[in-house]
Amino acid sequence: QVQLQQSGPGLVKPSQTLSLTCAISGDSVSSDTAAWNWIRQSPSRGLEWLGRTYYRSRTNWVYDYAASVKSRITINPDTSKNQFSVQLNSVTPEDTAVYYCARGFTLNYLDVWGTGTTVTVSS
Amino acid sequence: IQMTQSPSSVSASVGDTVTITCRASLDISTWLAWYQQRPGKAPKLLIYAASSLQSGVPSRFSGSGSGLDFALTISSLQPEDAATYFCQGALTFPLTFGQGTKLDIK
Repeated sequence: QVQLQQSGPGLVKPSQTLSLTCAISGDSVSSDTAAWNWIRQSPSRGLEWLGRTYYRSRTNWVYDYAASVKSRITINPDTSKNQFSVQLNSVTPEDTAVYYCARGFTLNYLDVWGTGTTVTVSS
Repeated sequence: IQMTQSPSSVSASVGDTVTITCRASLDISTWLAWYQQRPGKAPKLLIYAASSLQSGVPSRFSGSGSGLDFALTISSLQPEDAATYFCQGALTFPLTFGQGTKLDIK
């Protein structure tokens, strides 16, 4: 069965970069049918989709980002390690949240989720 | 596309039937999912394409609706159904979620 294992620091200083990784088992980051997403959840913002990457043979790698973070976010696949990552630059306390990675099937339904990483932005 | 759920919370007894509704700000056809989230856990996909039951999900969960208005119905409530339920629009990105409905079991 497909599993997603998240890793990364739980504390990031303001203005620095948040970096998380999601290791995939039971599927491939290069799958032609899946998409690989990052979502965060906080009491003030609820569930907020941040972005995704996916591979299609017709288009190669595709990257989609939420407008709210588009200028600060990068999602990268790593085919050698079968994982994907998120980097969020110039973080503020508003970026404090639980961050989840998730697989999307038919692109937009999130059927497998990581366990979540609580990230606190504080000096 | 904004997703608006109601009610924000509901309390019911074991064996009851509850219905949670979700309204989309634009016509999304049947591009809608429902998730269950227990405290401290990641969301779990229950329903996709408005009414398709995800594999392994009990048949007491059902979804309906199309266009703007959707519903999640849970029949024969069980104690383990205590959770927060979210709808999610899936027509296109950005994916958007409702604010959640907290279900308490009396």
